[in-house]
Amino acid sequence: QKEVEQNSGPLSVPEGAIASLNCTYSDRVSQSFFWYRQYSGKSPELIMSIYSNGDKEDGRFTAQLNKASQYVSLLIRDSQPSDSATYLCAVKDNQGGKLIFGQGTELSVKP
Amino acid sequence: DGGITQSPKYLFRKEGQNVTLSCEQNLNHDAMYWYRQDPGQGLRLIYYSQIVNDFQKGDIAEGYSVSREKKESFPLTVTSAQKNPTAFYLCASSMRGGLPSGNTIYFGEGSWLTVV
Repeated sequence: QKEVEQNSGPLSVPEGAIASLNCTYSDRVSQSFFWYRQYSGKSPELIMSIYSNGDKEDGRFTAQLNKASQYVSLLIRDSQPSDSATYLCAVKDNQGGKLIFGQGTELSVKP
Repeated sequence: DGGITQSPKYLFRKEGQNVTLSCEQNLNHDAMYWYRQDPGQGLRLIYYSQIVNDFQKGDIAEGYSVSREKKESFPLTVTSAQKNPTAFYLCASSMRGGLPSGNTIYFGEGSWLTVV
């Protein structure tokens, strides 16, 4: 069974620091990778998508993809208390297009 | 406004009852999905549909049923055969196609189902 693994956390960082979230996946042929942010009691919202090896930056967020090592990460620079949420890594299954989610990493940014 | 509308937001079910969760999208998306989320857990796929009148089981389809009679609608029925239905249910949709750079999946606001 295809799997996506994340550390459940909680990951605690001080305000202004860099938060680093990691994710590994089992299906070597996966091509599309997504990071969603989910606040408690709310639905997931898309933060970043990445399809090619390397880094992709969007504001304070940077997604990193290494297909050879089968990992994808999300860096959050200048972390803010409003970034406190659960971050879900998702990998698109090439068969059917559905997303396979990790269990999520809870991030807490302390003022 | 374009988006995905789920209703009801909160639903209580008695033991032995079937309940139906509604999901409607006006994004002209081809594919629709139902996920279940338990507290502190990730999302697990129940059913998905890539085109009208066709759908496939996900990882946890037992005790659930769906239909896809219209492109914009994908209702989920939680049957009495689902023994532990209390959870947060999320409907999602995306365009259908082979390009990896597209087809981002977007979510509705979710429905909370509680068995009483």
